[in-house]
Amino acid sequence: GAVVSQHPSRVICKSGTSVKIECRSLDFQATTMFWYRQFPKQSLMLMATSNEGSKATYEQGVEKDKFLINHASLTLSTLTVTSAHPEDSSFYICSALLAGGPDMQFFGPGTRLTVL
Amino acid sequence: RKEVEQDPGPFNVPEGATVAFNCTYSNSASQSFFWYRQDCRKEPKLLMSVYSSGNEDGRFTAQLNRASQYISLLIRDSKLSDSATYLCVVTSLNTGGFKTIFGAGTRLFVKA
Repeated sequence: GAVVSQHPSRVICKSGTSVKIECRSLDFQATTMFWYRQFPKQSLMLMATSNEGSKATYEQGVEKDKFLINHASLTLSTLTVTSAHPEDSSFYICSALLAGGPDMQFFGPGTRLTVL
Repeated sequence: RKEVEQDPGPFNVPEGATVAFNCTYSNSASQSFFWYRQDCRKEPKLLMSVYSSGNEDGRFTAQLNRASQYISLLIRDSKLSDSATYLCVVTSLNTGGFKTIFGAGTRLFVKA
């Protein structure tokens, strides 16, 4: 099946720093990628939809200036958490949509961010 | 009201038991429905799609009732390896594009 990778898998940073997370579709091109956040014992919450070559669409309540998304190529989307604070500590998961239908969504392994 | 609601769980069952999970969704325009499985600290993995006609994959049976906006998952002959969180997932396609909503998940513990 299609493979999506994320890097890094785990990051610990100090409050106030920025963290970039990469999401790559390894064997297919994805015009659309999604970024989710999952807090402990809660479900995945969609943060934004990333479309190649255009601005990301953010969900209500998600600050676009804090969570910068860049989808510069058909295989790479990046999420940058700017000026991270402890409340941003979470599990960030991306998914890539394979053209052909809604069940063709493949998830990355996730990035666990801890902000001290 | 949440867009996708699931049994909160956790379900604690012995090996070999049959267990059923329920899920309701609020958007009648939803188009596609899935069950995902998520292991602790891992990404969700697609378990199966859900169709109105019902579908079965080995020990797993999924059912969709569009009129009641209800989705179910039945697991027969539970195995220890079935222990995980099961996520009910609903997608819709509108002018804003494709959108996926996850339920909060139901935790299943299968014990020997």
